[in-house]
Amino acid sequence: EIVLTQSPATLSLSPGERATLSCRASQSVSSDLAWYQQKPGQAPRLLIYDASNRAPGISARFSGSESGTDFTLTISSLEPEDFAVYYCQQRRNWPPGATFGGGTKVEIK
Amino acid sequence: QVQLVESGGGVVQPGRSLRLSCAASGFTFSNYGMHWVRQAPGKGLEWVSVVSSAGTVTYAGDSVKGRFTISRDNSKNTLYLQMNSLRAEDTAVYYCAKEGDGSRYSFDLWGQGTLVTVSS
Repeated sequence: EIVLTQSPATLSLSPGERATLSCRASQSVSSDLAWYQQKPGQAPRLLIYDASNRAPGISARFSGSESGTDFTLTISSLEPEDFAVYYCQQRRNWPPGATFGGGTKVEIK
Repeated sequence: QVQLVESGGGVVQPGRSLRLSCAASGFTFSNYGMHWVRQAPGKGLEWVSVVSSAGTVTYAGDSVKGRFTISRDNSKNTLYLQMNSLRAEDTAVYYCAKEGDGSRYSFDLWGQGTLVTVSS
């Protein structure tokens, strides 16, 4: 089973600052990695798929990148609505189950 | 309107059963694999189960294998999760999620969730 490890667990930043979130896979997931944003009481929302492709309607301040089994979500300049929990997720052809990272909470400093 | 709407959650005693439903609208339901994902109170996301677009292939996570069964009725645009032998640790918000248009390895549409509480 592929394990996704997200770091840090909590990121304390101010609006306007740059946020860098990390997700490390225990083995190769190719580029089949997605990022989600979740706010309290809401369902997750897809931000990035295939490691670096923004989902429709997602602001250009969100970007994703990869280097081997290390993946990064970058928020270029935090807006007030960006303070939330972020999850990475992977899935393969077989077995077809998905795994999620433990999440990174981006909080207002 | 493109949406997923879950129903069927509630309070149930340990060992009992519950069936969740997820009604899809605004897209061609039969073209997409569908998943259930859950989130225990204050915890992260846990993938539960998947069913293929035609309903012929299913797969479940180890924590629910043998107890939960996923299915779908494409004529009714509805996804189901039959949950048997429920345990306290199954307490969670259950979301249904659609495989993505850009990549079927991601989930581009989620329901609002339905809360299942297993307690005596």
